[in-house]
Amino acid sequence: DAGVTQSPTHLIKTRGQQVTLRCSPKSGHDTVSWYQQALGQGPQFIFQYYEEEERQRGNFPDRFSGHQFPNYSSELNVNALLLGDSALYLCASSLGQGVTEAFFGQGTRLTVV
Amino acid sequence: AQKITQTQPGMFVQEKEAVTLDCTYDTSDQSYGLFWYKQPSSGEMIFLIYQGSYDEQNATEGRYSLNFQKARKSANLVISASQLGDSAMYFCAMRELRDTPLVFGKGTRLSVIA
Repeated sequence: DAGVTQSPTHLIKTRGQQVTLRCSPKSGHDTVSWYQQALGQGPQFIFQYYEEEERQRGNFPDRFSGHQFPNYSSELNVNALLLGDSALYLCASSLGQGVTEAFFGQGTRLTVV
Repeated sequence: AQKITQTQPGMFVQEKEAVTLDCTYDTSDQSYGLFWYKQPSSGEMIFLIYQGSYDEQNATEGRYSLNFQKARKSANLVISASQLGDSAMYFCAMRELRDTPLVFGKGTRLSVIA
């Protein structure tokens, strides 16, 4: 049973560029959430996708957008990158009903220079 | 208002000893879940243990147990027989009602000493 997989694991981008991060949820999970974790901090919720729609959003600007595909996989897009966007980006998958466990991928470490 | 509070930025424990990592939470909802995750230096968040607000028994998973005190709104993680591989960041998190996102604390860095 494959867990949550994210790609790429690391990448370096230049300020002002755009980036796309990818996530495949755990088998059987239909809900994908994205988190940003700055160095030395706990993860901060960006947004959540269920049934291919953004269901909830945290306090992040519109430069952060996403998509969920029919197979439940998801993408996180960040436009006009800032130095402050450097962080570990974590994807979590869960079942959409009730208060259930969320399983995380290994994360994508983004460095903006 | 901060929903999850972890007051111990860092903890040290001797190998084979037990350690308690503190977590308090704030919610007015009756239905919620509490989670503990381990994050080694590799970055992956590893799910350790879950406690539902209506669960009467404290959750246990191997060497991990959750000391759930609902009236005090605390959900402390107890690790028994610490191992060197337990050295990592530990995060407490909460999810209120259905489909709401996880809210994390700032974490506790645990160092196990041989």
